[in-house]
Amino acid sequence: NAGVTQTPKFRILKIGQSMTLQCAQDMNHNYMYWYRQDPGMGLKLIYYSVGAGITDKGEVPNGYNVSRSTTEDFPLRLELAAPSQTSVYFCASSYQGRAFFGQGTRLTVV
Amino acid sequence: GESVGLHLPTLSVQEGDNSIINCAYSNSASDYFIWYKQESGKGPQFIIDIRSNMDKRQGQRVTVLLNKTVKHLSLQIAATQPGDSAVYFCAENKDGNQFYFGTGTSLTVIP
Repeated sequence: NAGVTQTPKFRILKIGQSMTLQCAQDMNHNYMYWYRQDPGMGLKLIYYSVGAGITDKGEVPNGYNVSRSTTEDFPLRLELAAPSQTSVYFCASSYQGRAFFGQGTRLTVV
Repeated sequence: GESVGLHLPTLSVQEGDNSIINCAYSNSASDYFIWYKQESGKGPQFIIDIRSNMDKRQGQRVTVLLNKTVKHLSLQIAATQPGDSAVYFCAENKDGNQFYFGTGTSLTVIP
């Protein structure tokens, strides 16, 4: 059982470049989330989705976009990468309030 | 936004001792609380949860206590082992959609 799978694990972007962080879950969970974690800090919610076709902003959505065309996939898009987006990104899905996290994507913007 | 804070950013304990990690939350409407463990380079892993209609819940070597009067949550780890060294986060969930995380407490177990 794979759970929540994130790709890539690491990425270095130049300022202004764009990229998509992929997230897939095989648990048929309706709820999915994207968080960022800065060094020594907790997790900040970027976007979340309560089901296919539905997305909503979290605490820190600026500079990001998401889509949820299927139950399984919840990609996170950065259109114009900025140094402030250097962080570790975690995707999660949840069922009955319990969240399951992926292994994270470490992104550096230079 | 929500505020879930931890009293101590770091905690060192001797192997075999009990550990207590504290957490304060600000939203009295929160009805579900979760403790996560995050090892270096990994995503958070679920440890134990508690709903607001309970004061205490026990798992294997872990106990969560909830004091709604003072909006305080604690995680107790019995007979702490080196493998317990990690960052521990509490999180609150008030509407079933969003989880709000605190800064985390780094637990170091001294052999």
